[in-house]
Formats: sequence, C-alpha cells, structure tokens
Amino acid sequence: AQKVTQAQTEISVVEKEDVTLDCVYETRDTTYYLFWYKQPPSGELVFLIRRNSFDEQNEISGRYSWNFQKSTSSFNFTITASQVVDSAVYFCALSEKTGANSKLTFGKGITLSVRP
Amino acid sequence: DVKVTQSSRYLVKRTGEKVFLECVQDMDHENMFWYRQDPGLGLRLIYFSYDVKMKEKGDIPEGYSVSREKKERFSLILESASTNQTSMYLCASSSTWGRRVWFFGPGTRLTVL
Repeated sequence: AQKVTQAQTEISVVEKEDVTLDCVYETRDTTYYLFWYKQPPSGELVFLIRRNSFDEQNEISGRYSWNFQKSTSSFNFTITASQVVDSAVYFCALSEKTGANSKLTFGKGITLSVRP
Repeated sequence: DVKVTQSSRYLVKRTGEKVFLECVQDMDHENMFWYRQDPGLGLRLIYFSYDVKMKEKGDIPEGYSVSREKKERFSLILESASTNQTSMYLCASSSTWGRRVWFFGPGTRLTVL
C-alpha cells in the first residue's frame, strides 16, 4: 500500500529564512506520481507541483524548489527567502496508478508559520 | 479557470439527520473524490468515483455513501449523522488522461451537534 510520511508537524521561521519541508513516501510501484499542495488559511488546496517517478530532475519555480531522490524515497520542498504569505499547511501526496481509479494519498501535512 | 464547487462552506446538523454534501466540477473530469480532513490526521479518502454511477470505497467509508448520477456531480451522503463526523469535507476531481492533477473545492465544514 502507498504511504506518505511528513515527520515535521509544525515549523516556525522568521521572514527571509529558508525552510525545507520533508516528505518520505512508500510504494511498490515503479510508476508513480508525487505532489505538493498548499492549503492557506482560506482552506482551499492549491496545487504546487507534480513529479513522475521517471523524472528525478530537481525543479525550481521562483522561490520554490523541489528535490526528488528515489534512492531515499524522498521529495522535499524548499522555500527560499520565506514570506508571511507562505504561511499555510503543506501536504505531500502520492498517486500510484495512472489510469482510472487511481487514488491520491496524502501525508498529514506540515503547518508552516512565517513571522514578520 | 478550472472549478470545483461545493454546495456549502459551513453546515450545522443534528445527530441522526440525513446530510447531503454536493460537489460540482466544470472540467469534464472522469474522476471525483471525497476526503475528510481532521487535525493531525491529514486528508483521508472516503469514496471516489471514476465514472458515472461507479463508486469505490476509500480508506474510511463507514457511515457514508455516495451518488454520481451525472458526470459533473458527486454527492456525499451521511445517512444518520453522528458527532464523530464533524469535520472538514473536501471534494476533488481529476482527469484520467493527460497531465493528471487533482483539483479541490473550497471545502465544507460540517458540525454535527
């Protein structure tokens, strides 16, 4: 069965600090997809990134970067120069199948607080 | 813009009542999902549907049922609400084909008294 572990539950940083959110996953499939979602205080989950298991290239999008390492089954998310608007709950998620009836399994989330 | 809407943001019901949570998506997605979110537990899958009139149990289906009569609409039903069903309920949809991303609605915060 697929499983996602986000060991950190709450992180508090001061604005402009860099912060890394950890994600470790378990799966028996060779084809799978990893996701990060952001849930701001308004409550709606916002899609940030999707990565397939064949693409281990790191990705950078502005202040956000993601490090995917199959060898350690990790998909970590780094925010550089954090801002107050980054305060949210961040979820890592895993989907094993690619066709119909594919499910998305979430970690328990990390609450990030960025203080001015 | 893609859109998943849920019928209510906040809902208060009494124990034993029958509760309907409605979700509509306008993206012509084949798949729809119901999750509940509780502090410290993250999001847990209740039911999902990959086609009209099809449904599959998720990880915590007990106490819930679903209905999908039309492609764009997926309803979650609490036959007899109980206090332990007080939670945030999130609906999502995704396409079977192409770049598969789950899109979420704004959530319904249900309180059962």
